[in-house]
Order: sequence, then structure tokens, then C-alpha cells
Amino acid sequence: DIQMTQSPSTLSASVGDRVTITCRASQSISSWLAWYQQKPGKAPKLLIYKASSLESGVPSRFSGSGSGTEFTLTISSLQPDDFATYFCQQYNSYWTFGQGTKVEIK
Amino acid sequence: QVQLVQSGAEVKKPGASVKVSCKASGYTLTSFDITWVRQATGQGLEWMGWMNPNSGNTDYAQKFQGRVTMTRNTSINTAYMELSSLRSDDTAMYYCARGRQGVRLWGQGTLVTVSS
Repeated sequence: DIQMTQSPSTLSASVGDRVTITCRASQSISSWLAWYQQKPGKAPKLLIYKASSLESGVPSRFSGSGSGTEFTLTISSLQPDDFATYFCQQYNSYWTFGQGTKVEIK
Repeated sequence: QVQLVQSGAEVKKPGASVKVSCKASGYTLTSFDITWVRQATGQGLEWMGWMNPNSGNTDYAQKFQGRVTMTRNTSINTAYMELSSLRSDDTAMYYCARGRQGVRLWGQGTLVTVSS
């Protein structure tokens, strides 16, 4: 099974900050990685697919990069609506999710 | 409107089974795979398996092999996930989702509580 290690688990930041979340795969997954945002009581929302492709309707302040085993989600300027939990997901072989990063208000 | 609508919350006793439905609207169920994921309160997301609604073929996570069954009724555009021999640690929100890659369409979730 492919393991996904996401860090940090919690991140305290202010509006306007640049935020970076990292995900590491236990083996190469090429670019078969997605990033989701989840708010309490809601289903996940797709932000990025195929490691760096921005989902339609998602603000351009979100970006993804990486391939192989190292991936990054960046929010260029954190907005009030962005305080949420973020998950990475590999879909190279079945699915595995990272443990999640909760982005909190500093 | 394209959406997946899941059945309502369930409370079950240990050892019982639960069957959650996922009705597709705005598109034909057989056009895309259906994946099931669960999430315990405050925890991460766990892949349970997927089904090709056209063929009925399924692939289950090893953890759930022997306990989970995914089926569909194409006449009513609905997919089902049944989990048996429930334990307290099966208490979670269960989601259906459309597709096997980056998923754009999710159901609203069904809370399953297992308690004696």
C-alpha cells in the first residue's frame, strides 16, 4: 500500500500569509495526486488534480506542484474563507489520503 | 442539477449491518464509477472501495474485504454500500463519490453510529 505523509498537521496563519503544505508518498505516484479542502460537516472539495492542475472555479491563489514522491500545496495569500482542513490524496494505486492539515487563525 | 444524494443517518447495534444508498441525479449512474470513503469524527479519510455501476464489478480495500458489499440498481440510478458485523470503530461519516481520480462530485455524507 502507498502511504501518504502530510505536514504539518496544524498550521497557524494570518490573512494575507503565504501558506505551504507538504505531502510525501512512500513510493512514486507520478503526478497522480489531488488536494482537497474540507470544512466541518461538509464533503471534501477538489482544489487541485494531477498534482498541479487547478480545478475549475477554484481561486488562483491555490497552486500545486511536485511529482514522484514530493508534493506541495501553496496558498499565495490566505483569505478568511481558506481556514479549513486540507488533505492530499494519491490515486496512482487505489486511494490513500494524507492525515490532513488544519489551517487555523493565528 | 448533477448531484449525489445519500440516505439519512443510521444508528446500529454492534454486530448489525447497515446499507447506505447514493442516488445519482442529473446524470446516468452507469457513466462513472462510484467510490466509497469514510471519515471518523475528527479523523482523516479512508478509502473503502469502488464499483463500476455499468458492469457491477467491484474492488474493495483489504481492510473491509468480507464485510463490505457494493451494489447498484440502475433502474433507479442508485448505488449502495452495505457494511456488516458493525463495531464501535465503524462509527463514521460515509461518503459516496463519483469517479476514481480527482473527485469533483461527492454525496453529502451519511452518519453511521454504532452503539449498544
